[in-house]
Amino acid sequence: LAKTTQPISMDSYEGQEVNITCSHNNIATNDYITWYQQFPSQGPRFIIQGYKTKVTNEVASLFIPADRKSSTLSLPRVSLSDTAVYYCLVGTGNTNAGKSTFGDGTTLTVKP
Amino acid sequence: ETGVTQSPTHLIKTRGQQVTLRCSSQSGHNTVSWYQQALGQGPQFIFQYYREEENGRGNFPPRFSGLQFPNYSSELNVNALELDDSALYLCASSRFSQGSRETQYFGPGTRLLVL
Repeated sequence: LAKTTQPISMDSYEGQEVNITCSHNNIATNDYITWYQQFPSQGPRFIIQGYKTKVTNEVASLFIPADRKSSTLSLPRVSLSDTAVYYCLVGTGNTNAGKSTFGDGTTLTVKP
Repeated sequence: ETGVTQSPTHLIKTRGQQVTLRCSSQSGHNTVSWYQQALGQGPQFIFQYYREEENGRGNFPPRFSGLQFPNYSSELNVNALELDDSALYLCASSRFSQGSRETQYFGPGTRLLVL
């Protein structure tokens, strides 16, 4: 299972764009990259998933370079409610979806 | 929000006791995974169930066991509870089909405190 490395914490201000980078040097060919958001005492919430290049949805964008050894989650115009822990997860699809390894995540603090 | 539900929400047990946690999968999902999340850490994979059989296990002792039922709901059983078992236990469901990728959707978790 691919190991991921993220910054432990980041600070930002309301209205700014936040970019959180995750390193996954030993990502396998079949691995997808998934990002989750977690608030205290709640289950992780799916944000976005991608395999290569760029993926965008209504809440975030995910940038994956050609070598796929890292990925960057981009949150546009953050608000106070975006304060949470963000996890980067690398794993295969199919039945390995549940076997992916979570790191310790990045604690994002958004300030007014 | 995700359609994955867990019960109970909170539980207090004493060392040596046994506990059963329950999870109902999101509609259409056939795979369930269980995670243990200690305070300040990321979720740690316990095991996964697919078609009512264990389909992969993390680094957890045999006193952690599980079941998946025909309706895809699931149970996590922990015997001989230890103080270090105090954690948030998360259930995640997904749908397996050949040639597709799945996304896990997590339930709200069960907070277990072992005294």
